Amino acid sequence: AQSVTQPDIHITVSEGASLELRCNYSYGATPYLFWYVQSPGQGLQLLLKYFSGDTLVQGIKGFEAEFKRSQSSFNLRKPSVHWSDAAEYFCAVGDIIQGAQKLVFGQGTRLTINP
Amino acid sequence: DAGVTQSPTHLIKTRGQQVTLRCSPKSGHDTVSWYQQALGQGPQFIFQYYEEEERQRGNFPDRFSGHQFPNYSSELNVNALLLGDSALYLCASSFRGLNTEAFFGQGTRLTVV
Repeated sequence: AQSVTQPDIHITVSEGASLELRCNYSYGATPYLFWYVQSPGQGLQLLLKYFSGDTLVQGIKGFEAEFKRSQSSFNLRKPSVHWSDAAEYFCAVGDIIQGAQKLVFGQGTRLTINP
Repeated sequence: DAGVTQSPTHLIKTRGQQVTLRCSPKSGHDTVSWYQQALGQGPQFIFQYYEEEERQRGNFPDRFSGHQFPNYSSELNVNALLLGDSALYLCASSFRGLNTEAFFGQGTRLTVV
């Protein structure tokens, strides 16, 4: 079965420091991969997606992610975090069944920013 | 563009009752998916609707049912509510097919007491 693992439940970084959130997936074919962000009490906002092509993808808010097939990983990075980046981050894989796509999410990583 | 809109925002129900949640997709989208997000967890796929039919279903009991209307809006119904049904229910809309991204609504917070 398709699955996504986010090893870090909670990460704390200082404002201005770099960030890397880890994501590992299990999927039989070429995966469609996503990172979403969720602020408290809010829905999910798409940060970036990988469908094919260049394995380094750029997203909104200065985030990027790199797809590494050999490691089944899709880690999210940002060179310098801002206090407004504090939120919950979810990695997801698109599971294709009968021509339709559903999302399988990881458990999420809560990001706290120290001033 | 209003994006994906869900109603109501919050809801409190008693065990055994029934509830209906509503979703209007982003303009131009024809596919609606529902997800359940328990506290501290990632969203779990409930089901997906396209052309007014359920196309995929996750591992949820038959107490969870849905409907899609000709204007692509959708309802999620849950019967015989259990305390464990307390969660944030998210609606996502997209275009039918692959290589599409899903846009999420703000969710409905359901509390079962």
